Amino acid sequence: EVQLVESGGGLVQPGGSLRLSCAASGFTFSSYWMSWVRQAPGKGLEWVANIKQDGSEKYYVDSVKGRFTISRDNAKNSLYLQMNSLRAEDTAVYYCARDSGPAAAGPIDYWGQGTLVTVSS
Amino acid sequence: SYVLTQPPSVSVAPGKTARITCGGNNIGSKSVHWYQQKPGQAPVLVIYYDSDRPSGIPERFSGSNSGNTATLTISRVEAGDEADYYCQVWDSSSDLHVFGTGTKVTVL
Repeated sequence: EVQLVESGGGLVQPGGSLRLSCAASGFTFSSYWMSWVRQAPGKGLEWVANIKQDGSEKYYVDSVKGRFTISRDNAKNSLYLQMNSLRAEDTAVYYCARDSGPAAAGPIDYWGQGTLVTVSS
Repeated sequence: SYVLTQPPSVSVAPGKTARITCGGNNIGSKSVHWYQQKPGQAPVLVIYYDSDRPSGIPERFSGSNSGNTATLTISRVEAGDEADYYCQVWDSSSDLHVFGTGTKVTVL
């Protein structure tokens, strides 16, 4: 059974940093692109970033470029999102998700339950 | 950047058919995926590559894509289909996933 479990969310002040982690199990982690998707309270889904199987390609939504860094450790079956210079508008539930296709363009077929990040003073 | 537009809400009686549209410039040239999200839960993929259904998704869910509009159709709607639905594509010109604005389906 595919499982994605996020951790690391919490309350952080504007300008602060936070590192999210996602523990993957039930599939060959190193064979899949992986994504982070967020959802602000009461709002729609917003894709944040994704990363290729070997970490050699990464893509980001414009609003987080230069502030967020996606990474992975295939030996630990783990995905990460380092978030710096956080802003109030980054407040959201962050989902770890698996991209199902062989390339970055495939559908997202599995999602974690999400971790809440709140940016507030 | 590429924009996907969905109606904010769709209401349908039990047993009837719900159609949820997703508008985008020449969306017919892209692969469209659809997700269902119930309150407090993570999204679930219900249609991928325009019209394919993942295992476990009822045949009542179907999809089509042509021109500037993709459509998710839910036949014989049940109370359990009440949820938010999002379309999604990969925008190759910007190298990013794009989600639609979302549609809340209410079963009357």
